[in-house]
Amino acid sequence: EVQLVESGGDLVQPGGSLRLSCAASGFTFNDYYMDWVRQAPGKGLEWVGRSKNKGNSYTTESAASVKDRFTISRDESENSLYLQMNSLKTEDTAVYYCARDKLGVGANDYWGQGTLVTVSS
Amino acid sequence: DIVMTQSPDSLAVSLGERATIDCKSSQSVLKSSNNKNYLAWYQQKPGQPPKLLIYWASTRESGVPDRFSGSGSGTDFALTIGSLQAEDVAVYYCHQYYGVPRTFGQGTKVEIK
Repeated sequence: EVQLVESGGDLVQPGGSLRLSCAASGFTFNDYYMDWVRQAPGKGLEWVGRSKNKGNSYTTESAASVKDRFTISRDESENSLYLQMNSLKTEDTAVYYCARDKLGVGANDYWGQGTLVTVSS
Repeated sequence: DIVMTQSPDSLAVSLGERATIDCKSSQSVLKSSNNKNYLAWYQQKPGQPPKLLIYWASTRESGVPDRFSGSGSGTDFALTIGSLQAEDVAVYYCHQYYGVPRTFGQGTKVEIK
């Protein structure tokens, strides 16, 4: 069974840092592109960025709103995806989801339950 | 960036009736090399992550009831719920995965009339 479990969400002050984790199981993690998607309270979905698969050297891409502040990475040995968030702003407050790209498609077929990041003083 | 615009923002439909949500992209999401539309639809219920319903604009994800159907090509798409059930109350999002950044529509809230 495919499972994605996010962790690391917390209350952090503006300008602070946080690292989110997504533990993957039930599939061959290295074969899949993985995305981070966020949702501000009561708002819609916003793509944050992605890590391509091993065959594409785990290349990452990010949205302009987080570029230079957020970094996506993976640990093969842990089957985990990470989102390092620096210089956090109040507008980064959201539930952060990790999601798997459906193989050969690109749409997200499995999502974690999300982890809440609150940026506030 | 490709802007996705859904209409309406909310929709109230009687049980058993048809519900249709439109989605328009600011540029075509049809890739000529494979003739596929890089457009998906998701359903999100309160307190839950989104659930993939449709990809390639009209292919139903495994396990999704056949009352859900997707149509359209290029820049104009639609999600139709053929006979609305109580469990279909949710927010629905269209999503383009043609280009980076990936983008979503603003969402359409479907309720029972």
